[in-house]
Amino acid sequence: RKEVEQDPGPFNVPEGATVAFNCTYSNSASQSFFWYRQDCRKEPKLLMSVYSSGNEDGRFTAQLNRASQYISLLIRDSKLSDSATYLCVVKIVSNNDMRFGAGTRLTVKP
Amino acid sequence: GAGVSQSPSNKVTEKGKDVELRCDPISGHTALYWYRQSLGQGLEFLIYFQGNSAPDKSGLPSDRFSAERTGGSVSTLTIQRTQQEDSAVYLCASSHSGLANDEQYFGPGTRLTVT
Repeated sequence: RKEVEQDPGPFNVPEGATVAFNCTYSNSASQSFFWYRQDCRKEPKLLMSVYSSGNEDGRFTAQLNRASQYISLLIRDSKLSDSATYLCVVKIVSNNDMRFGAGTRLTVKP
Repeated sequence: GAGVSQSPSNKVTEKGKDVELRCDPISGHTALYWYRQSLGQGLEFLIYFQGNSAPDKSGLPSDRFSAERTGGSVSTLTIQRTQQEDSAVYLCASSHSGLANDEQYFGPGTRLTVT
């Protein structure tokens, strides 16, 4: 079983749609959580950190459920520019070990 | 300001040859990470440096892989006797301190192809 699992997609949605991605992790020692975005043939870039109480940044909302060991990302009012691969990342702070999911591919269509 | 830079951007090598990949982190960043990403796959964590030391080398795929960081800045990842399965994009990232929610800034990667 992979340490961080994501639905690879692809998710194909129309502009303006709301789309949600889930991610599960297996290591209960994981302490920090992130969503990164990776455009085709580009390096990953931080989208947002995920906090225990959940957090929102504009059209993006991230949630963490420690008991069930999953993280979610909700994108509202999708834009064409949201098309990318979204990577779920968990970090074990004690040794700075970062584990990336394989990513969920999103395509937003006009 | 300057971001993370990596060189070379592309490297084609013959099976069995050694390669050296270089990473220049953002100035002042103490934490440095190496990852590799195979086609269509997620990132595989290889090694992490805090300053010049690497507390955990267990992510390196085999003893053909080694990494060092000198002067708390530039890092090199060396792959000896390359194999075809080493073909991937090797990404380097740095962060200010390596603390819990510190953002990692990635370089553009080195695309390694072993023929």
